[in-house]
Amino acid sequence: DIQMTHSPSTLSASVGDRVTITCRASQSISSWLAWYQQKPGKAPKLLIYKASNLESGVSSRFSGSGSGTEFTLTISSLQPDDFATYYCQQYNSYPYTFGQGTKLEIK
Amino acid sequence: QITLKESGPTLVRPTQTLTLTCTFSGFSLSTSGVGVGWIRQPPGKALEWVALIYWDDDKRYSPSLKSRLTITKDTSKNQVVLTMTNMDPVDTATYYCIHIYTFGPTDVWGKGTTVTVSS
Repeated sequence: DIQMTHSPSTLSASVGDRVTITCRASQSISSWLAWYQQKPGKAPKLLIYKASNLESGVSSRFSGSGSGTEFTLTISSLQPDDFATYYCQQYNSYPYTFGQGTKLEIK
Repeated sequence: QITLKESGPTLVRPTQTLTLTCTFSGFSLSTSGVGVGWIRQPPGKALEWVALIYWDDDKRYSPSLKSRLTITKDTSKNQVVLTMTNMDPVDTATYYCIHIYTFGPTDVWGKGTTVTVSS
Protein backbone atom coordinates (compact mmCIF):
# COMPACT_ATOMS: atom_id res chain seq x y z
CA ASP A 1 0.00 0.00 0.00
CA ILE A 2 1.09 3.59 -0.62
CA GLN A 3 1.51 5.46 2.66
CA MET A 4 0.38 9.08 2.83
CA THR A 5 1.86 11.34 5.50
CA HIS A 6 0.56 14.76 6.50
CA SER A 7 2.55 17.51 8.10
CA PRO A 8 1.83 19.03 10.41
CA SER A 9 -0.77 16.91 12.20
CA THR A 10 -2.17 20.01 13.87
CA LEU A 11 -1.90 23.61 12.76
CA SER A 12 -2.96 26.65 14.76
CA ALA A 13 -3.68 29.78 12.76
CA SER A 14 -5.70 32.98 12.80
CA VAL A 15 -8.38 34.33 10.51
CA GLY A 16 -6.69 35.98 7.57
CA ASP A 17 -3.55 33.85 7.74
CA ARG A 18 -2.12 32.01 4.76
CA VAL A 19 -1.51 28.36 5.61
CA THR A 20 0.09 25.43 3.87
CA ILE A 21 -0.40 21.73 4.58
CA THR A 22 1.96 19.15 3.15
CA CYS A 23 1.23 15.57 2.16
CA ARG A 24 3.95 13.11 1.18
CA ALA A 25 3.49 9.79 -0.58
CA SER A 26 5.71 6.78 0.08
CA GLN A 27 6.16 6.35 -3.70
CA SER A 28 5.37 8.37 -6.77
CA ILE A 29 1.69 8.89 -7.46
CA SER A 30 2.14 11.29 -10.39
CA SER A 31 -0.64 13.87 -9.85
CA TRP A 32 -3.31 11.45 -8.65
CA LEU A 33 -3.97 13.23 -5.40
CA ALA A 34 -7.09 14.72 -3.87
CA TRP A 35 -7.67 16.98 -0.88
CA TYR A 36 -10.76 16.85 1.32
CA GLN A 37 -12.14 19.03 4.09
CA GLN A 38 -14.03 17.43 6.95
CA LYS A 39 -15.94 19.15 9.72
CA PRO A 40 -17.01 17.36 12.92
CA GLY A 41 -19.91 15.00 12.37
CA LYS A 42 -19.96 15.59 8.62
CA ALA A 43 -18.82 13.72 5.56
CA PRO A 44 -15.64 14.91 3.86
CA LYS A 45 -15.93 17.36 0.99
CA LEU A 46 -13.76 17.26 -2.11
CA LEU A 47 -11.68 20.43 -2.53
CA ILE A 48 -8.91 19.62 -5.00
CA TYR A 49 -8.40 16.76 -7.45
CA LYS A 50 -5.48 15.73 -9.64
CA ALA A 51 -3.21 17.67 -7.28
CA SER A 52 -4.11 21.16 -8.44
CA ASN A 53 -7.61 21.23 -9.90
CA LEU A 54 -10.23 23.09 -7.90
CA GLU A 55 -13.52 21.23 -7.54
CA SER A 56 -16.53 23.13 -8.83
CA GLY A 57 -18.04 25.40 -6.21
CA VAL A 58 -14.97 25.44 -3.96
CA SER A 59 -13.54 28.80 -2.97
CA SER A 60 -10.53 30.00 -4.95
CA ARG A 61 -8.80 30.61 -1.61
CA PHE A 62 -7.92 26.92 -1.80
CA SER A 63 -5.14 25.79 -4.10
CA GLY A 64 -3.09 22.66 -4.52
CA SER A 65 0.28 21.88 -6.02
CA GLY A 66 2.83 19.14 -6.35
CA SER A 67 3.52 15.92 -8.19
CA GLY A 68 5.36 12.71 -7.61
CA THR A 69 5.65 12.33 -3.86
CA GLU A 70 5.20 15.81 -2.39
CA PHE A 71 2.03 17.86 -2.42
CA THR A 72 0.70 20.97 -0.74
CA LEU A 73 -2.68 22.46 0.01
CA THR A 74 -2.67 26.21 0.55
CA ILE A 75 -5.46 28.36 1.95
CA SER A 76 -4.72 31.94 1.01
CA SER A 77 -6.67 33.84 3.65
CA LEU A 78 -8.25 31.78 6.39
CA GLN A 79 -11.93 32.30 7.05
CA PRO A 80 -13.80 31.08 10.15
CA ASP A 81 -15.48 28.36 8.08
CA ASP A 82 -12.09 26.89 7.09
CA PHE A 83 -11.25 25.53 10.53
CA ALA A 84 -11.62 21.79 10.00
CA THR A 85 -9.58 18.66 9.37
CA TYR A 86 -7.98 18.21 5.95
CA TYR A 87 -7.11 14.87 4.36
CA CYS A 88 -5.11 13.96 1.30
CA GLN A 89 -5.85 10.79 -0.66
CA GLN A 90 -3.93 9.11 -3.42
CA TYR A 91 -5.86 7.44 -6.22
CA ASN A 92 -2.90 6.25 -8.25
CA SER A 93 -3.20 2.63 -7.15
CA TYR A 94 -5.43 0.48 -5.01
CA PRO A 95 -6.07 0.71 -2.13
CA TYR A 96 -6.76 4.44 -2.45
CA THR A 97 -5.11 5.43 0.82
CA PHE A 98 -5.62 8.56 2.93
CA GLY A 99 -3.23 10.49 5.09
CA GLN A 100 -3.83 10.75 8.81
CA GLY A 101 -5.17 14.27 8.44
CA THR A 102 -4.22 17.80 9.48
CA LYS A 103 -6.43 19.50 12.02
CA LEU A 104 -6.57 23.25 11.46
CA GLU A 105 -7.37 25.04 14.71
CA ILE A 106 -8.07 28.62 15.61
CA LYS A 107 -5.12 30.28 17.36
CA GLN B 1 -27.74 15.82 -8.46
CA ILE B 2 -25.98 12.74 -7.13
CA THR B 3 -27.03 11.51 -3.71
CA LEU B 4 -26.09 8.41 -1.75
CA LYS B 5 -27.66 7.10 1.42
CA GLU B 6 -26.33 4.39 3.69
CA SER B 7 -28.53 2.03 5.66
CA GLY B 8 -27.94 -0.87 7.96
CA PRO B 9 -27.71 -1.84 11.63
CA THR B 10 -26.30 0.57 14.16
CA LEU B 11 -25.23 -2.20 16.53
CA VAL B 12 -23.56 -5.47 15.63
CA ARG B 13 -22.32 -8.19 17.98
CA PRO B 14 -18.74 -9.44 17.73
CA THR B 15 -18.31 -12.28 15.19
CA GLN B 16 -21.54 -11.32 13.41
CA THR B 17 -21.77 -10.27 9.77
CA LEU B 18 -22.46 -6.65 8.89
CA THR B 19 -24.58 -5.85 5.84
CA LEU B 20 -24.72 -2.25 4.66
CA THR B 21 -26.77 -0.97 1.75
CA CYS B 22 -26.07 2.15 -0.27
CA THR B 23 -29.05 3.49 -2.18
CA PHE B 24 -28.18 6.14 -4.70
CA SER B 25 -29.78 8.49 -7.21
CA GLY B 26 -28.69 10.90 -9.89
CA PHE B 27 -26.60 8.40 -11.84
CA SER B 28 -26.61 4.84 -13.10
CA LEU B 29 -24.14 2.17 -12.11
CA SER B 30 -24.44 0.76 -15.61
CA THR B 31 -22.80 3.88 -17.08
CA SER B 32 -19.24 3.35 -18.23
CA GLY B 33 -16.65 4.60 -15.76
CA VAL B 34 -18.91 4.89 -12.75
CA GLY B 35 -18.12 3.31 -9.42
CA VAL B 36 -19.63 3.15 -5.94
CA GLY B 37 -17.72 2.25 -2.84
CA TRP B 38 -17.23 2.44 0.90
CA ILE B 39 -14.90 4.38 3.15
CA ARG B 40 -14.97 4.16 6.93
CA GLN B 41 -13.78 6.28 9.82
CA PRO B 42 -13.36 5.01 13.38
CA PRO B 43 -14.27 7.56 16.05
CA GLY B 44 -11.63 10.29 16.23
CA LYS B 45 -9.47 8.61 13.60
CA ALA B 46 -8.57 8.96 9.95
CA LEU B 47 -10.46 7.83 6.89
CA GLU B 48 -9.92 4.27 5.66
CA TRP B 49 -10.71 3.12 2.14
CA VAL B 50 -12.68 -0.16 2.19
CA ALA B 51 -14.06 -1.31 -1.16
CA LEU B 52 -15.25 -0.28 -4.63
CA ILE B 53 -17.39 -1.75 -7.38
CA TYR B 54 -17.46 -0.41 -10.93
CA TRP B 55 -20.08 -0.39 -13.66
CA ASP B 56 -18.45 -3.43 -15.29
CA ASP B 57 -18.52 -5.39 -11.98
CA ASP B 58 -14.80 -4.85 -11.39
CA LYS B 59 -14.35 -5.06 -7.63
CA ARG B 60 -11.54 -3.67 -5.49
CA TYR B 61 -10.97 -4.37 -1.81
CA SER B 62 -8.70 -3.13 0.93
CA PRO B 63 -6.03 -5.83 1.23
CA SER B 64 -6.23 -5.75 5.02
CA LEU B 65 -9.98 -6.45 4.94
CA LYS B 66 -10.32 -8.42 1.72
CA SER B 67 -10.89 -11.83 3.28
CA ARG B 68 -13.93 -10.48 5.15
CA LEU B 69 -15.54 -8.31 2.46
CA THR B 70 -17.99 -8.77 -0.36
CA ILE B 71 -19.35 -5.91 -2.45
CA THR B 72 -22.21 -6.36 -4.90
CA LYS B 73 -24.44 -4.16 -7.00
CA ASP B 74 -28.07 -4.23 -8.07
CA THR B 75 -28.27 -1.84 -10.97
CA SER B 76 -32.05 -2.12 -11.28
CA LYS B 77 -32.50 -1.03 -7.66
CA ASN B 78 -29.68 1.57 -7.69
CA GLN B 79 -28.09 -0.16 -4.74
CA VAL B 80 -24.68 -1.40 -3.65
CA VAL B 81 -24.35 -3.83 -0.76
CA LEU B 82 -21.28 -4.34 1.39
CA THR B 83 -20.98 -7.36 3.66
CA MET B 84 -18.25 -7.68 6.26
CA THR B 85 -17.91 -10.92 8.18
CA ASN B 86 -16.54 -11.65 11.64
CA MET B 87 -17.07 -8.15 13.00
CA ASP B 88 -14.83 -6.96 15.81
CA PRO B 89 -14.98 -3.92 18.09
CA VAL B 90 -12.15 -2.35 16.05
CA ASP B 91 -14.60 -2.23 13.12
CA THR B 92 -16.67 0.34 15.01
CA ALA B 93 -16.81 3.31 12.65
CA THR B 94 -18.87 5.60 10.50
CA TYR B 95 -19.24 3.95 7.12
CA TYR B 96 -19.59 6.26 4.12
CA CYS B 97 -20.93 5.32 0.71
CA ILE B 98 -19.13 7.16 -2.08
CA HIS B 99 -19.36 7.86 -5.83
CA ILE B 100 -16.33 7.76 -8.07
CA TYR B 101 -15.33 7.74 -11.71
CA THR B 102 -12.54 5.55 -13.05
CA PHE B 103 -9.20 7.31 -12.47
CA GLY B 104 -11.02 9.95 -10.46
CA PRO B 105 -11.27 11.03 -6.83
CA THR B 106 -14.20 10.39 -4.53
CA ASP B 107 -16.38 13.28 -5.62
CA VAL B 108 -19.62 12.64 -3.74
CA TRP B 109 -20.13 11.19 -0.26
CA GLY B 110 -23.17 9.96 1.59
CA LYS B 111 -23.82 11.31 5.08
CA GLY B 112 -22.51 8.11 6.65
CA THR B 113 -23.92 5.52 8.99
CA THR B 114 -22.47 4.72 12.38
CA VAL B 115 -21.88 1.07 13.23
CA THR B 116 -20.92 -0.01 16.73
CA VAL B 117 -19.56 -3.47 17.40
CA SER B 118 -20.19 -4.48 20.97
CA SER B 119 -21.49 -7.39 22.96
